[in-house]
Amino acid sequence: DSGVTQTPKHLITATGQRVTLRCSPRSGDLSVYWYQQSLDQGLQFLIHYYNGEERAKGNILERFSAQQFPDLHSELNLSSLELGDSALYFCASSDRGSGGDTIYFGEGSWLTVV
Amino acid sequence: AQSVTQLDSQVPVFEEAPVELRCNYSSSVSVYLFWYVQYPNQGLQLLLKYLSGSTLVKGINGFEAEFNKSQTSFHLRKPSVHISDTAEYFCAVSDPNTGGFKTIFGAGTRLFVKA
Repeated sequence: DSGVTQTPKHLITATGQRVTLRCSPRSGDLSVYWYQQSLDQGLQFLIHYYNGEERAKGNILERFSAQQFPDLHSELNLSSLELGDSALYFCASSDRGSGGDTIYFGEGSWLTVV
Repeated sequence: AQSVTQLDSQVPVFEEAPVELRCNYSSSVSVYLFWYVQYPNQGLQLLLKYLSGSTLVKGINGFEAEFNKSQTSFHLRKPSVHISDTAEYFCAVSDPNTGGFKTIFGAGTRLFVKA
């Protein structure tokens, strides 16, 4: 158990809809990351937050947004969903957000868009 | 921008045989390098990492990796694999000099250990 909690574990929704994925980082970790894992794209970094502030952006679509709240939990919002958004979404956390940190991953949220 | 290439998408190997999973990264003045493992239906977990110092890094479960700056490689090795090592392995790189932190992962190598 990494200590990172993600909900929901599985989600099926229709095209055009909006979903919110939630993440609680490990106790004490200030950094939260979101990744998307799919068969064709592999593991793609989406976004990094540190102590409530956005620190780095990766391949995150404009239809997607995220935030980190004062209690350090994070949400990833996916809107106007398309079939191609079906993937496993990981949340991860680390303590300082520096390059040498070990990143601790949650078990992921499986999103299926039909 | 940093990039990572894992040279093999799948590696089948018999139990108790040695294995090497290959990883090359794009060159930079300095890098941090990682290997993560993903067991079925689980998130990734760290096997080992290189930040500085000795180029031979030992990790969990008997794995080790060697940082080779001249060849920009960070290959993962295990002298004798077990069935339980069957998993996907990801090499990753980060740039110590970036203000934000963005670890780049390779495409993964699926290790399949056969009895």
